[in-house]
Amino acid sequence: FILTQPHSVSGSPGKTVTISCTRTSGSVADTYVQWYQQRPGSSPTIVIYEDNQRPSGVPARFSGSIDSSSNSASLTISGLATEDEADYYCHSYDPDDHTVIFGGGTKLTVL
Amino acid sequence: VQLVESGGGLVQPGGSLRLSCAASGFTFSSHWMYWVRQAPGKGLVWVSHINSDGDWTNYADSVKGRFTISRDNVKNTLYLQMNSLRGEDTAVYYCVREAFDGTKWLDPWGQGTLVTVSS
Repeated sequence: FILTQPHSVSGSPGKTVTISCTRTSGSVADTYVQWYQQRPGSSPTIVIYEDNQRPSGVPARFSGSIDSSSNSASLTISGLATEDEADYYCHSYDPDDHTVIFGGGTKLTVL
Repeated sequence: VQLVESGGGLVQPGGSLRLSCAASGFTFSSHWMYWVRQAPGKGLVWVSHINSDGDWTNYADSVKGRFTISRDNVKNTLYLQMNSLRGEDTAVYYCVREAFDGTKWLDPWGQGTLVTVSS
């Protein structure tokens, strides 16, 4: 399956943005979705695992969810800060052929 | 917890390169390990992964038959042997740990090593 993300999103400081990740085949509930943040010039770091779990050290402003009706996962960032400006990637795993799938990435601009 | 990649560089098309990833700060032999690459200005792409014992591996179709992942649980090191390199293999290669057995989420990521395939 493929994970499709919008190329870019933007928001103003203090506002809320949501980044979608749509699964093209199978159900989004079949396998967990993770989200990674990659700031310019840095390696990716995880911000959400197993659909909606936040690793220690990640601000509560970051939340994840899945929606079976749209077959999508979402990353929501509230109270936008300039430090949130980064690329965000969703990720899942296909247990049928044991492959790892990444979305194409979404560039978040904090205006 | 630290992952430090090495071995990247400039190589001609058709050439070979071996990447290494030195792991520290955790029990390396208990974790599945991954290689993920990122071409300049592009997104993340899975390359290969290996189980904790080193007796099971899987590869992306784009590298199958050309790349070989392996590990040395005594030296706490992950490897990626890359043969028959092509221009489209040019990328930063990240070594990544599966955070907990069976979870499939990836943390942490190394700093990456750049591989450039060009004549």
